[in-house]
Amino acid sequence: KQEVTQIPAALSVPEGENLVLNCSFTDSAIYNLQWFRQDPGKGLTSLLLIQSSQREQTSGRLNASLDKSSGRSTLYIAASQPGDSATYLCAALNAGGTSYGKLTFGQGTILTVHP
Amino acid sequence: GAVVSQHPSWVICKSGTSVKIECRSLDFQATTMFWYRQFPKQSLMLMATSNEGSKATYEQGVEKDKFLINHASLTLSTLTVTSAHPEDSSFYICAKPEAGRNEQFFGPGTRLTVL
Repeated sequence: KQEVTQIPAALSVPEGENLVLNCSFTDSAIYNLQWFRQDPGKGLTSLLLIQSSQREQTSGRLNASLDKSSGRSTLYIAASQPGDSATYLCAALNAGGTSYGKLTFGQGTILTVHP
Repeated sequence: GAVVSQHPSWVICKSGTSVKIECRSLDFQATTMFWYRQFPKQSLMLMATSNEGSKATYEQGVEKDKFLINHASLTLSTLTVTSAHPEDSSFYICAKPEAGRNEQFFGPGTRLTVL
């Protein structure tokens, strides 16, 4: 059974800092790993998806890396802004359930960027 | 644009009543839909998989008689919380899989509050 853990649970930083969010998973036989953003009371916004054959993905100020063998992924946010404040979730997709696989989420990291 | 919609976005009901949540695929047909639940300050947990034209499959610990799922058409899946109790208060999110990228597209979620 896949287990996904995110560290830290919460993070508060001043505007402009570069920061790293960590995600670890126990079953390395993943199809892909995805990072989401969730604003309070809202649904999920997909940020980056890294296929199992990839090492990293980049979108603007965001960079996500994947090390399957060690069961880790990191989300790097450059030059953080107050608008980045949200909960960040990582999720690992493994085989199981349907032919579409099964997605297992971490508990999330609550990020606060203060001006 | 959004590929999955949910209705309603929020609902408040009295204990003992039933609540129906709709999940629609806005672009292509969806023979499969996933239903997730997120309790406050917790991560998303898969509840069940909705299958068009056949019975839904439920995750361990989820009562199929309490959470009725109907996938009567290729664009609509519904989740009915029957005889709702305060402990059913949660954020319910559906997701549509996209096989080509092993990715799921999430709806905006429905906030259920049972008084």
